[in-house]
Amino acid sequence: AQKITQTQPGMFVQEKEAVTLDCTYDTSDPSYGLFWYKQPSSGEMIFLIYQGSYDQQNATEGRYSLNFQKARKSANLVISASQLGDSAMYFCAMREGQDQAGTALIFGKGTTLSVSS
Amino acid sequence: NAGVTQTPKFQVLKTGQSMTLQCAQDMNHNSMYWYRQDPGMGLRLIYYSASEGTTDKGEVPNGYNVSRLNKREFSLRLESAAPSQTSVYFCASSEPGTSQETQYFGPGTRLLVL
Repeated sequence: AQKITQTQPGMFVQEKEAVTLDCTYDTSDPSYGLFWYKQPSSGEMIFLIYQGSYDQQNATEGRYSLNFQKARKSANLVISASQLGDSAMYFCAMREGQDQAGTALIFGKGTTLSVSS
Repeated sequence: NAGVTQTPKFQVLKTGQSMTLQCAQDMNHNSMYWYRQDPGMGLRLIYYSASEGTTDKGEVPNGYNVSRLNKREFSLRLESAAPSQTSVYFCASSEPGTSQETQYFGPGTRLLVL
C-alpha cells in the first residue's frame, strides 16, 4: 500500500485564486512529520512547509498553509492568492519516527499545478 | 552558504560505463541521502548515511554504491551503468534531532544511459 497518496495528477487555477493540493498518508507510527516540496521546471526541490504529528495548530508559511486532519490522515497544502510563479510540481512527503538519524522521506507521486493569468 | 551542491549537472553514459556522482553540503549536517526521481514515481531512496562513517541501503540500492568521504561529502557510484538507471539523482542532507529535520536538496544530476 502506498504510504503517501496524491490523487490529483494535475490542477489548474487562475492567478489570485486559492488552490488546495491533496495528500493522504498511511502510518502506524504515532510520531511522524509531513512535508511539502515544490519542484519548478528548473528541477530543484524547494522545501515549503512542515507539520509534525503532535503539532496542535496547522502550519503556515506565508501564502502556504497545511490543512492537517489527523483522524482522516490528510495533510493538504493550501496556496492562497496563486501567482504565475507557483506553476510547478508539488510533492507531499512523510518521515516516520522522530530523532532517528538518517530517517528517509517517503514521497508521493506529485501534483502538477498550472497557474494561468 | 551554497547549501547542497552536486556535480555533474548532466551526464551521458554508455551501457557498462562507470561514473561517480558527487555531493557536498556546507550546513554541517550529519545525515545525507541519495534519491532518484523517475517520471510518475516521485523520489525513491537509494542509499543514506545517518552519520559520518555509516551507510545503509534504501528502497532501490541495486546497481549503486556509496561512500561517505567525510561529514560534508557523500558520493554515489554506478559501477556498470544500465539504461534502467537513466534518471534524475538528488542528494539531500538533514540534521537529526532537530524538531523538523528538514531535508535540503541539491539541484540534481540528470543521467542518461544509452
